[in-house]
Amino acid sequence: QVKLQQSGAELVKPGASVKLSCKTSGYTFSTSYMSWFKQIPGQSIEWIGMIYAGDGGTGYNQKFKGKATLTVDTSSSTAYMDLSSLTTEDSAVYFCARMATTDWYFDFWGPGTMVTVSS
Amino acid sequence: DTVLTQSPALAVSPGERVSISCRASEGVNSYMHWYQQKPGQQPKLLIYKASNLASGVPARFSGSGSGTDFTLTIDPVEADDTATYFCQQSWNDLYTFGAGTKLELK
Repeated sequence: QVKLQQSGAELVKPGASVKLSCKTSGYTFSTSYMSWFKQIPGQSIEWIGMIYAGDGGTGYNQKFKGKATLTVDTSSSTAYMDLSSLTTEDSAVYFCARMATTDWYFDFWGPGTMVTVSS
Repeated sequence: DTVLTQSPALAVSPGERVSISCRASEGVNSYMHWYQQKPGQQPKLLIYKASNLASGVPARFSGSGSGTDFTLTIDPVEADDTATYFCQQSWNDLYTFGAGTKLELK
């Protein structure tokens, strides 16, 4: 069955960077799309961007350009998101989710990674 | 950006029927999807492309609409349906979500 496992919670200092991972199993990762999201607890969900594992091609929400960088490692079926120059406004839960390529919805989600930015 | 406006929090009794609305600021054809999120959990896909039931989702859930107005219906509501429900559009390249409708059971 399809599974997405995300890395553990992070506590980072302002100005630092963090790299989150999303390890997949149960489907053909190399021909799939993955998206990443930000959710502040109690609030809505923001789409950060997407990456095609086949060639590493990406598309970003303009709001997160320069903040988030998406990459993949097809040998380990893992997607990554780098978040840079962190501020307290980046404190949130970050989810990865597989994209259905026909209608661009998100059919399987990881459990999320809590990132806390604090000095 | 396509803004999605959802109905406010709702409270219903088990066994009743509930409809949760989502209005898009511009037409999104049928590219509207619905998710359920329980506290501390990831979102779960319920309905895709307006009216298609996702795999493993009970038939109590259904979706309708096209263009700018969409509805998620739960009939009958069960205690386990307590959650926040989000709509999401994929008609435009910038995928957006509604603010969520919190469903509580009386």
